Amino acid sequence: QKEVEQDPGPLSVPEGAIVSLNCTYSNSAFQYFMWYRQYSRKGPELLMYTYSSGNKEDGRFTAQVDKSSKYISLFIRDSQPSDSATYLCAMSGSGGYNKLIFGAGTRLAVHP
Amino acid sequence: EAQVTQNPRYLITVTGKKLTVTCSQNMNHEYMSWYRQDPGLGLRQIYYSMNVEVTDKGDVPEGYKVSRKEKRNFPLILESPSPNQTSLYFCASSPREGREQYFGPGTRLTVT
Repeated sequence: QKEVEQDPGPLSVPEGAIVSLNCTYSNSAFQYFMWYRQYSRKGPELLMYTYSSGNKEDGRFTAQVDKSSKYISLFIRDSQPSDSATYLCAMSGSGGYNKLIFGAGTRLAVHP
Repeated sequence: EAQVTQNPRYLITVTGKKLTVTCSQNMNHEYMSWYRQDPGLGLRQIYYSMNVEVTDKGDVPEGYKVSRKEKRNFPLILESPSPNQTSLYFCASSPREGREQYFGPGTRLTVT
């Protein structure tokens, strides 16, 4: 079993839809959670960074962490064709779990 | 502008011809890392560095070397490239291990 599981998609939605992207993890020591957006043939770009549980909002993006369920989500409201990209989750802990672990990425296509 | 730069962005070479991919960051980050990204395999860490003169192997270090003589630079060296090292390479930096990483634009390497 991988430490971080992420459905590769692809996920195809119409413009304006609410998108939900998710990752599950197995290591309860993880407490730093990130979402990256990667356009084709470009470097991953940090979108959201949260510590421990709860929600964080930035414009159309909301990151949610549920540590009890070992589940994190990224919501995109009013999705745009420019949101079409691969979204990677990443997480780490402290102590002996410092290494940042990436999910495989979910490919999202938003069509007009 | 805070950034990670890599050079070259594209490189086609032949088996056995030594090459170096440079990486530089201007954020005064202690932690730097190299990844390769291949279809279906996600991001895999090659080497990382916790600080100047401190480097260690990641998950796929075979065939690669690194050095960290200055805080801002972290070159990746392929002493005898082989076709299985054809990949998309990313350099990343972070204030410290396990925290948010900032990626360079990528280097697409083809070894024939």
